[in-house]
Amino acid sequence: GAGVSQSPSNKVTEKGKDVELRCDPISGHTALYWYRQRLGQGLEFLIYFQGNSAPDKSGLPSDRFSAERTGESVSTLTIQRTQQEDSAVYLCASSFFSKGAQHFGDGTRLSIL
Amino acid sequence: KNEVEQSPQNLTAQEGEFITINCSYSVGISALHWLQQHPGGGIVSLFMLSSGKKKHGRLIATINIQEKHSSLHITASHPRDSAVYICAARVKTSYDKVIFGPGTSLSVIP
Repeated sequence: GAGVSQSPSNKVTEKGKDVELRCDPISGHTALYWYRQRLGQGLEFLIYFQGNSAPDKSGLPSDRFSAERTGESVSTLTIQRTQQEDSAVYLCASSFFSKGAQHFGDGTRLSIL
Repeated sequence: KNEVEQSPQNLTAQEGEFITINCSYSVGISALHWLQQHPGGGIVSLFMLSSGKKKHGRLIATINIQEKHSSLHITASHPRDSAVYICAARVKTSYDKVIFGPGTSLSVIP
């Protein structure tokens, strides 16, 4: 499709396991963003990529969270040793350039048991 | 005090009413976004503003940079407009950090 694609759409895992979330941005979009939305709460900025570089990692909640982007395309958000408070919807967005309108994916709903 | 605030928090309107949602921010911004989040969770970007006013169909967004305030207006509201509307400020720093408002939950009743 032509939109931002995220996978998996849903993920249920046990506390302590590692999870990897994937985002396929719109082709040609140089900027990519990861956000988190906990149940009943607002959106939180996690990390931003310009190309393959992440100039701002200040939103990552802890050192258990990491993200990478390769080929100015796919990005993965990895959460190690998951905790119950990591349960949330993780949203990815991309834009043609860093100050452009963002296009959002449908998100990955992560549930930690 | 949150850096991006919205009012009202919740809004119920009758179909056809004119609706205004307000956003105020305390940080320096390079742009301000209005987003719509549907009950199913999907997010759509409605507007990106750095000055003045933009219109798309029944939606109008305005921004006053001096007053650090933006408004989203919906004319002739319809039940399908029911959603959470989120104001997001793109912070004016070297990096494109985005700070989100808490959202305004809108219900339009037939």
